[in-house]
Amino acid sequence: ILNVEQSPQSLHVQEGDSTNFTCSFPSSNFYALHWYRWETAKSPEALFVMTLNGDEKKKGRISATLNTKEGYSYLYIKGSQPEDSATYLCAFRDSNYQLIWGAGTKLIIKP
Amino acid sequence: DTAVSQTPKYLVTQMGNDKSIKCEQNLGHDTMYWYKQDSKKFLKIMFSYNNKELIINETVPNRFSPKSPDKAHLNLHINSLELGDSAVYFCASSQQAGVVTDTQYFGPGTRLTVL
Repeated sequence: ILNVEQSPQSLHVQEGDSTNFTCSFPSSNFYALHWYRWETAKSPEALFVMTLNGDEKKKGRISATLNTKEGYSYLYIKGSQPEDSATYLCAFRDSNYQLIWGAGTKLIIKP
Repeated sequence: DTAVSQTPKYLVTQMGNDKSIKCEQNLGHDTMYWYKQDSKKFLKIMFSYNNKELIINETVPNRFSPKSPDKAHLNLHINSLELGDSAVYFCASSQQAGVVTDTQYFGPGTRLTVL
């Protein structure tokens, strides 16, 4: 059974501060790693998909890095804003091309 | 325009009843999925259809039966509902399963409560 773990489970950050959290996944048979953003009362929305070791992706103040050899990805948010409050999910693409999802990191930005 | 829509958004029903949840996507995608969000908030794949053909059928009680009348629709029918079926069910679609970078687009979810 493949496990995708995210830490921390939840995170409170002061508005304006930068933060980051982790997604750990199996380092063998790597195909792709997806990050999604899930706001309360909405649907998960895709942020990034990364495929190569050392990949870095950026969208505004949010960026992500990928280390496939050690099996982790970091998501960074620079200068957190209230609208960044959401649950951030990562998902590992397995050898059957299915997405195996982590439980998410719930980020709460305090004004 | 809503890309992936589900109806109903909320469903409260008695144990033993049969109910359906409908999903439609207007993105022109070939693949559709049903997920169940479990008690620990994990998204667990239940079924996936590609061009109306079942491609993923995880270990799900056979009381759950997906139906895809066309590639824009994937409905979920549940027979003899049990208390443990209470959860949020998400529909999703993607352009093409089998491509590692294939991104999934989710519906708003249906919160099913079985009393």
